Amino acid sequence: EDQVTQSPEALRLQEGESSSLNCSYTVSGLRGLFWYRQDPGKGPEFLFTLYSAGEEKEKERLKATLTKKESFLHITAPKPEDSATYLCAVQANGGSNYKLTFGKGTLLTVNP
Amino acid sequence: DSGVTQTPKHLITATGQRVTLRCSPRSGDLSVYWYQQSLDQGLQFLIHYYNGEERAKGNILERFSAQQFPDLHSELNLSSLELGDSALYFCASNFHSTGNTEAFFGQGTRLTVV
Repeated sequence: EDQVTQSPEALRLQEGESSSLNCSYTVSGLRGLFWYRQDPGKGPEFLFTLYSAGEEKEKERLKATLTKKESFLHITAPKPEDSATYLCAVQANGGSNYKLTFGKGTLLTVNP
Repeated sequence: DSGVTQTPKHLITATGQRVTLRCSPRSGDLSVYWYQQSLDQGLQFLIHYYNGEERAKGNILERFSAQQFPDLHSELNLSSLELGDSALYFCASNFHSTGNTEAFFGQGTRLTVV
């Protein structure tokens, strides 16, 4: 069974204080690893897809990296508007079901 | 705005009742996925439809059912509701034949069972 574990569960940063979120996964064969951002009471918002170990993607202050066992979401010089829950999900190879298996998320709070 | 529309946004109902949640996918998307999000479980996959056909089931209770119509909108039917069914229900869509398999989520329906 596919599993995703995210750490830490919650992270509090000061504005400008860079840090990283971790996503460890086990999957029979990885088709893709996804990062989403979720604001309270809203649907998850797509950020990145990573397909193979060594791949990196960037968007503004966010950079996602992938190894064979985990992914990191690096946040550089965060701002208060980056406060949200960040969700990691994996998609397994095989078949035509592209369902996502999610971790429980990291709640990020950035204080001004 | 993801382009995925869910109605209603909020629903309050009594135990034992039946409700229907509706989802309109992004224009051009053929796949619809339903997820349940509760505080303790996180986002759990329920069911996947592709172009009107059921493709996979996840942790979906027998009291729950879904369908996808010819116009590609989908409905999730929840019956004999229990207090524990209170959660956020999300619909997501994608068009995986393009090779891009990221799913786009709607804003969810918050179901409260009292």
